[in-house]
Amino acid sequence: GAVVSQHPSRVICKSGTSVKIECRSLDFQATTMFWYRQFPKQSLMLMATSNEGSKATYEQGVEKDKFLINHASLTLSTLTVTSAHPEDSSFYICSASARQGRGYTFGSGTRLTVV
Amino acid sequence: GIQVEQSPPDLILQEGANSTLRCNFSDSVNNLQWFHQNPWGQLINLFYIPSGTKQNGRLSATTVATERYSLLYISSSQTTDSGVYFCAVTRRGGGSNYKLTFGKGTLLTVNP
Repeated sequence: GAVVSQHPSRVICKSGTSVKIECRSLDFQATTMFWYRQFPKQSLMLMATSNEGSKATYEQGVEKDKFLINHASLTLSTLTVTSAHPEDSSFYICSASARQGRGYTFGSGTRLTVV
Repeated sequence: GIQVEQSPPDLILQEGANSTLRCNFSDSVNNLQWFHQNPWGQLINLFYIPSGTKQNGRLSATTVATERYSLLYISSSQTTDSGVYFCAVTRRGGGSNYKLTFGKGTLLTVNP
């Protein structure tokens, strides 16, 4: 079945630094990947749609200069949280579909703590 | 955008009990999935079920697309079933990116 790998699973960084999170589709090609954010005891909120070879599409209210997305190949998308602050601490999770729009697989998530 | 409502928000069961979780959505969908989020945050896909009925062991799901709802049945619940259950959909005709919209989830606690 479709497998999505996400790394790192957990990261602690100092305020003001940048953190990169990788999302890979291991056994299929994904022209589109999605990045979500989840706060404790809340649902997943879509942050942006990552498009291979083109700019990401950000949801309303998401700062594109803070959350940089790069989708350089059909199997890899990266999310970089720039100049991280404590309020950026959250659970970030990516997803992709092997059959566009028909069944999504999620990575294992990255728990970011900014101190 | 499409609205997804799940009920109940919280559910506490004794081990062995059965339960039904509901997902209502406000528009036609071309994708509906049920997920279980475990305590470590991993989202496990339970069913891809935009219509019809499916069963997998103690779990089964039914989606009545014409009436815009889906049900997830858990039978003979076990403590390992505890966690948050999410329903997520993509709106039919929602564009080429097929964005997935999540409900707020049902927090299930199964006590021994």
